Amino acid sequence: NAGVTQTPKFQVLKTGQSMTLQCAQDMNHEYMSWYRQDPGMGLRLIHYSVGAGITDQGEVPNGYNVSRSTTEDFPLRLLSAAPSQTSVYFCASSYSSGNNEQFFGPGTRLTVL
Amino acid sequence: AQRVTQPEKLLSVFKGAPVELKCNYSYSGSPELFWYVQYSRQRLQLLLRHISRESIKGFTADLNKGETSFHLKKPFAQEEDSAMYYCALLNDYKLSFGAGTTVTVRA
Repeated sequence: NAGVTQTPKFQVLKTGQSMTLQCAQDMNHEYMSWYRQDPGMGLRLIHYSVGAGITDQGEVPNGYNVSRSTTEDFPLRLLSAAPSQTSVYFCASSYSSGNNEQFFGPGTRLTVL
Repeated sequence: AQRVTQPEKLLSVFKGAPVELKCNYSYSGSPELFWYVQYSRQRLQLLLRHISRESIKGFTADLNKGETSFHLKKPFAQEEDSAMYYCALLNDYKLSFGAGTTVTVRA
């Protein structure tokens, strides 16, 4: 199993550009989520999904969209990139949304100029 | 609203010395708490969860509801314990992380 995969590993955008961060898992996990990691702030939940077709907002959802058309994929879209979105983004998945271990991807380092 | 506080950004200890990472939380219900660890150039991974009451890699964490704390402890630190540690609280499908503590174990 590849586990949780994320692409790209690195990305540089200009202010106003849009892009999609890809996340996929091959463990048949129902629950998937996106976090951003910023120095001194830990990881903050952006959006999450408890199953295909179901998504909801986390702590910092503004400027991001998600969709979950399949169990395996959970892409994160930046609609109009801003410098404040410069961060490291992590995708995670778990068997269910309950008290289960979350498996994390390797992260995407995004810089917005 | 739930909140997780890790008061120490950096923690430096000598090999063989005890290490304790502090975690305090604010939550009105019955908390589900975790410790996650990120070693250099590795993915973030679960270290332990409070319901398991287990010891992983020599680490233990006790939930103290009276003090609303979930401190992580290890009696004898090893160099391979150098990493970033995050305390996290699960509520209604959402996992809230503390700011993290970077631990450096010196020889």
